[in-house]
Amino acid sequence: EIVLTQSPGTLSLSPGERATLSCRASQSVSSSYLAWYQQKPGQAPRLLIYGASSRATGIPDRFSGSGSGTDFTLTISRLEPEDFAVYYCQQYGSSHTFGGGTKVEIK
Amino acid sequence: EVQLVESGGGLVQPGGSLRLSCAASGFTVSSNYMSWVRQAPGKGLEWVSVIYSGGSTYYADSVKGRFTISRHNSKNTLYLQMNSLRAEDTAVYYCASGREYSYGRGAYYYYGMDVWGQGTTVTVSS
Repeated sequence: EIVLTQSPGTLSLSPGERATLSCRASQSVSSSYLAWYQQKPGQAPRLLIYGASSRATGIPDRFSGSGSGTDFTLTISRLEPEDFAVYYCQQYGSSHTFGGGTKVEIK
Repeated sequence: EVQLVESGGGLVQPGGSLRLSCAASGFTVSSNYMSWVRQAPGKGLEWVSVIYSGGSTYYADSVKGRFTISRHNSKNTLYLQMNSLRAEDTAVYYCASGREYSYGRGAYYYYGMDVWGQGTTVTVSS
């Protein structure tokens, strides 16, 4: 089973700042089947990025994904008020697993 | 409208069984891969199970041998049969769908899960 480790656990930033979230896999993720999801309290997760770097339909271009192999990054170029939430990475190339999540909170 | 609606959650005693349903509209469940994902109170997301368009199924180690994923194509519905339930199975259960793209000759590309239900709550307690 591939284990995903997300860091940091919490990111305290101000609106307008850049957010960089990390996701490290215990072994290589096949075909870059790495996705990022955003979840707000009381809501279902929302797909942001799939295939490590492709934005899902309707996702603003301030969200970008990069990486391959075992190291992946989600970058939010300029935080908007609605971006404060919990973010999860997920690998779906070999069975499926989620990372533990990174909470992006208002500083 | 593309939509998933879960049902079947509730309170069940340890050792009991429950079957969750996930009704799809606006797309065909048998053409996509369909997953169950759960979230215990105050915790992160945990993947539970997936069924691919070809019928292959996979399970998290924590539920293997106790849970069974299936689908009814004519009802366009996904199911999760949960047996031998434990307190640690208490969670909100979401169903989710991701598209598959066939390159031919059995090769596929898989997109992320872009359609999610609202979740159904399962509580395992005596």
